[in-house]
Amino acid sequence: GEDVEQSLFLSVREGDSSVINCTYTDSSSTYLYWYKQEPGAGLQLLTYIFSNMDMKQDQRLTVLLNKKDKHLSLRIADTQTGDSAIYFCAERRYSTLTFGKGTMLLVSP
Amino acid sequence: DTGVSQDPRHKITKRGQNVTFRCDPISEHNRLYWYRQTLGQGPEFLTYFQNEAQLEKSRLLSDRFSAERPKGSFSTLEIQRTEQGDSAMYLCASSLARLAGALNTGELFFGEGSRLTVL
Repeated sequence: GEDVEQSLFLSVREGDSSVINCTYTDSSSTYLYWYKQEPGAGLQLLTYIFSNMDMKQDQRLTVLLNKKDKHLSLRIADTQTGDSAIYFCAERRYSTLTFGKGTMLLVSP
Repeated sequence: DTGVSQDPRHKITKRGQNVTFRCDPISEHNRLYWYRQTLGQGPEFLTYFQNEAQLEKSRLLSDRFSAERPKGSFSTLEIQRTEQGDSAMYLCASSLARLAGALNTGELFFGEGSRLTVL
């Protein structure tokens, strides 16, 4: 299929780690991205990973890439209530980005 | 603020009317994208420009939709004879595509969106 797939919802407690998963479709995708969207706002780029990398860490964020399984994950360490938002993964196909439907992360105190 | 700006932020219109949205990209960015996002969905690609040339259009972009980027800077997206199904958030994004051979990380920088409600 052509869809980028994500689980729809994740609920965690403040201070826990959150792991958001994504499967993509195009094995030739060169870059994969994670974006965050807060209510009523546009998308904010969080991080991206080049397809020849397995892992990328950026402060509280860790991205893992399994090219064989076309699986991408975003781990947020020490999740805060301000991390509550919708998280989108996206793959780059030629010059455009194709997005999943988003995972809503709810962080409770 | 030197980010992507969109105008208007909200538009309510009656079915059959025409609407136009404007996007001002980050100034040094040569690529400009339009996406549509409906409730509970991710952004869906509509079209993109490199400088003033419209290089790709999605099948979602029906004949009632037209986009322009006349001077390679700002862009407009016009929807003619709006239908209720056009109600959505219209997102603009820009990026910098470097010369061939250079590393293009390809990330898009999005504006806050223009929300269209068709009654």
